Amino acid sequence: GAGVSQTPSNKVTEKGKYVELRCDPISGHTALYWYRQSLGQGPEFLIYFQGTGAADDSGLPNDRFFAVRPEGSVSTLKIQRTERGDSAVYLCASRTSYNTGELFFGEGSRLTVL
Amino acid sequence: TQLLEQSPQFLSIQEGENLTVYCNSSSVFSSLQWYRQEPGEGPVLLVTVVTGGEVKKLKRLTFQFGDARKDSSLHITAAQPGDTGLYLCAGDSGGSNYKLTFGKGTLLTVNP
Repeated sequence: GAGVSQTPSNKVTEKGKYVELRCDPISGHTALYWYRQSLGQGPEFLIYFQGTGAADDSGLPNDRFFAVRPEGSVSTLKIQRTERGDSAVYLCASRTSYNTGELFFGEGSRLTVL
Repeated sequence: TQLLEQSPQFLSIQEGENLTVYCNSSSVFSSLQWYRQEPGEGPVLLVTVVTGGEVKKLKRLTFQFGDARKDSSLHITAAQPGDTGLYLCAGDSGGSNYKLTFGKGTLLTVNP
């Protein structure tokens, strides 16, 4: 696709359930980021992948959050035992290795934990 | 932890007015980016400023990076309803990972 694609666009789940959010970056972009944006806030960094490896996961809030990118393209953000405080828009972004750092964002996955 | 403070948080103006929004930090950034975000969409890059004192213009938008690379401003001339959106500044502290720290944003509404 032409842009970063995220699915699902909306996810409503119950407290304690497991959730997976998918990101399909722009073709050829080696760097992939996950951010979380709560209502009224700016995006907050979660994790950064360069290729298949998580180069920086310092933003993951706790061990309930995990992300993978097994083939260096599509990434999945996994949240275990969801809590109401996890409700937010989860944004994925990608960039090439050769620009000045412009991130191309997807439209986000809105997660609501009841 | 590097923080970026944006002001004002909300701004509602009439079409044709000028406005300035600010992005301030106590930390030095190697570059600073401004994004615009519309409801239900991801942020879209407007500009990147790299050099202290740098001024960049994008049509009616003027961006300035402070001499010490700790702050930035965005000035919009003759605002139009299409300028409505959330304006986010984001700082890059350096290194190859381009991990950005975002401010909370300024929500701008331009009324016709």
